[in-house]
Amino acid sequence: DGGITQSPKYLFRKEGQNVTLSCEQNLNHDAMYWYRQDPGQGLRLIYYSQIVNDFQKGDIAEGYSVSREKKESFPLTVTSAQKNPTAFYLCASRQELVSDEQYFGPGTRLTVT
Amino acid sequence: QKEVEQDPGPLSVPEGAIVSLNCTYSNSAFQYFMWYRQYSRKGPELLMYTYSSGNKEDGRFTAQVDKSSKYISLFIRDSQPSDSATYLCAMSAKVRIAGGYQKVTFGTGTKLQVIP
Repeated sequence: DGGITQSPKYLFRKEGQNVTLSCEQNLNHDAMYWYRQDPGQGLRLIYYSQIVNDFQKGDIAEGYSVSREKKESFPLTVTSAQKNPTAFYLCASRQELVSDEQYFGPGTRLTVT
Repeated sequence: QKEVEQDPGPLSVPEGAIVSLNCTYSNSAFQYFMWYRQYSRKGPELLMYTYSSGNKEDGRFTAQVDKSSKYISLFIRDSQPSDSATYLCAMSAKVRIAGGYQKVTFGTGTKLQVIP
C-alpha cells in the first residue's frame, strides 16, 4: 500500500536535546512538507522540499532543520534552539505538476520536558 | 485578520442530522479548496477537493464553494458517530509551474461530535 509513514508515534525528550523525526513516503511524490499543529492553531509550515537536495524554510523554521537526500525521505530535526518544541508534527507530500492535494502521515507527538 | 477563518466549535449534533461546516477566506487568489478530516491524534485525511465555484458531491459529503462571497462549506448528510472528528478546511492559489511553490493555508478546524 502506498502512503506516508512517520515514526515514532510518540517521542519524549529532555530539554536541550536534539531529536529527529522520521518521514518516509512510497507515493513517488516530489514535494514533501513538515507542519506543526498546536491546539487552537491551524497547521503551520516548518519546511518544504520540492526536489531532492533542495528545501526551503516555511513560516516557522527557527529551531528546526531538515535534509532531503532521497526522494522518499524527509527527516526533521528539532534542535535545542526551538523554544517550544512540544507539539504534534505532521509530514505531508504532494505530486508536483499533477495535483494540488497534500497527503498526510499519521503524525508524531513530541513531548519535551 | 487571518487569511482563513473557521469556527472551532465544538459542534454537537444528533445522529442522522445534516451537518454544515464553514470557512471564510480573505485572499481572492485562492482557487483550490480542500476539506480534511482529522481523528484525534491522527494525521488529516483528505476528504474532498474542488477548484470551481458550485457544489461537488461524494457520497454523504457535499463541498460548496462561493468565490464571490469567499465562503466554502462542507455538508454531511445522515451524520454518523464515526463522523465525529475535527474538520479542517484548506486552500491555495493554484500553482502548476516547474519550481512553483504551492502554499496551502489551513483553517484551525471545527470539532464535530455526532451523538448516537
